Amino acid sequence: DGGITQSPKYLFRKEGQNVTLSCEQNLNHDAMYWYRQDPGQGLRLIYYSQIVNDFQKGDIAEGYSVSREKKESFPLTVTSAQKNPTAFYLCASSIGTTSVNEQFFGPGTRLTVL
Amino acid sequence: GNSVTQMEGPVTLSEEAFLTINCTYTATGYPSLFWYVQYPGEGLQLLLKATKADDKGSNKGFEATYRKETTSFHLEKGSVQVSDSAVYFCALLPSGGSYIPTFGRGTSLIVHP
Repeated sequence: DGGITQSPKYLFRKEGQNVTLSCEQNLNHDAMYWYRQDPGQGLRLIYYSQIVNDFQKGDIAEGYSVSREKKESFPLTVTSAQKNPTAFYLCASSIGTTSVNEQFFGPGTRLTVL
Repeated sequence: GNSVTQMEGPVTLSEEAFLTINCTYTATGYPSLFWYVQYPGEGLQLLLKATKADDKGSNKGFEATYRKETTSFHLEKGSVQVSDSAVYFCALLPSGGSYIPTFGRGTSLIVHP
């Protein structure tokens, strides 16, 4: 089955540690995205990538980093510089080549920093 | 810039009640419009979409009509079920091949038996 996988579903880290969230897709999509979701809030875009080896900052990129070395993978690193990292993180992808570009989402990773 | 405004929730209904969740947008040109649904602890799933004015998107008993004159895309369902309890997000994708959607803040729906 085609889709997006995120791992792990729950992640706990101590304050001051970097942590990397995995996102893999087998949909052959060009574009991938990372969002952050906080309780009662909508989605906020962290980073996005339209092609391999290229990515752009979204609205809240500070304290985060990404890489896009392969088309199917777009890992997100939450660094110690992110002041409030506890949140639900969603990865998404889209075809990226047409104007009607609905997004496909992974199941999310809930990060808790202790 | 682009924006999407949804009615604030939670919306609380009894089973078999009629549902409307309002969504209005601001954008230039002719954006594509979407409704996504998020069940507890999960990612978002596309519920329905419309790509041009007067188009009606429909899926699983939900419907929404793209109204250019009122810049709206309200979500409706004639008879809700407990299993429809979720958060619903309205979103737009600008015309011109943009890859970046604009989401509303989401509306929580709670359906009681």
